[in-house]
Amino acid sequence: DTAVSQTPKYLVTQMGNDKSIKCEQNLGHDTMYWYKQDSKKFLKIMFSYNNKELIINETVPNRFSPKSPDKAHLNLHINSLELGDSAVYFCASSQDPSLEAFFGQGTRLTVV
Amino acid sequence: AQSVTQPDIHITVSEGASLELRCNYSYGATPYLFWYVQSPGQGLQLLLKYFSGDTLVQGIKGFEAEFKRSQSSFNLRKPSVHWSDAAEYFCAVGRDGNKLVFGAGTILRVKS
Repeated sequence: DTAVSQTPKYLVTQMGNDKSIKCEQNLGHDTMYWYKQDSKKFLKIMFSYNNKELIINETVPNRFSPKSPDKAHLNLHINSLELGDSAVYFCASSQDPSLEAFFGQGTRLTVV
Repeated sequence: AQSVTQPDIHITVSEGASLELRCNYSYGATPYLFWYVQSPGQGLQLLLKYFSGDTLVQGIKGFEAEFKRSQSSFNLRKPSVHWSDAAEYFCAVGRDGNKLVFGAGTILRVKS
């Protein structure tokens, strides 16, 4: 069983579209995250949720809106996609925010 | 604020040779430290972690790392590299702020 799974794995879309990426974890963790990995492979946190509550929002444009329907799911919705949004987006979870995170396989988003 | 520096962008070693990947961190107290590995097109897998106690930690796949407070370092080592170790390696620091802060990564190439 995959611990942290995200869909889709690849997403190609046009500028201006709205898209969502879904994430689910079956580890029973309380904290979930979205990280963005840019073209230079630099990983940076975008959002963190603990028990469905937003605890980190790292100066991400408000076109990005995370939603956590329950503590096992954290989805990422992106409005009005821009070329600069092209990146790999990783979902992760951890039992405690300070402990190790378990990552999904990533979603490679390409905006054309 | 936490920060992580991985001074080497690329490292090439011969199969069977020893490996050391450098990681320096900036943090006011004893941090939680992690090494992750990312194979091409894959997510991040945790290799090992340090929270406290013995400063030499063992991880998966034959990797180990040593925490040196005096040098603010957490270097990753492996005595004998295998071709399958070719990947990108990320050092990360956690503890405050409910997030992991990653270094820029080191790409390991293995020569046969």
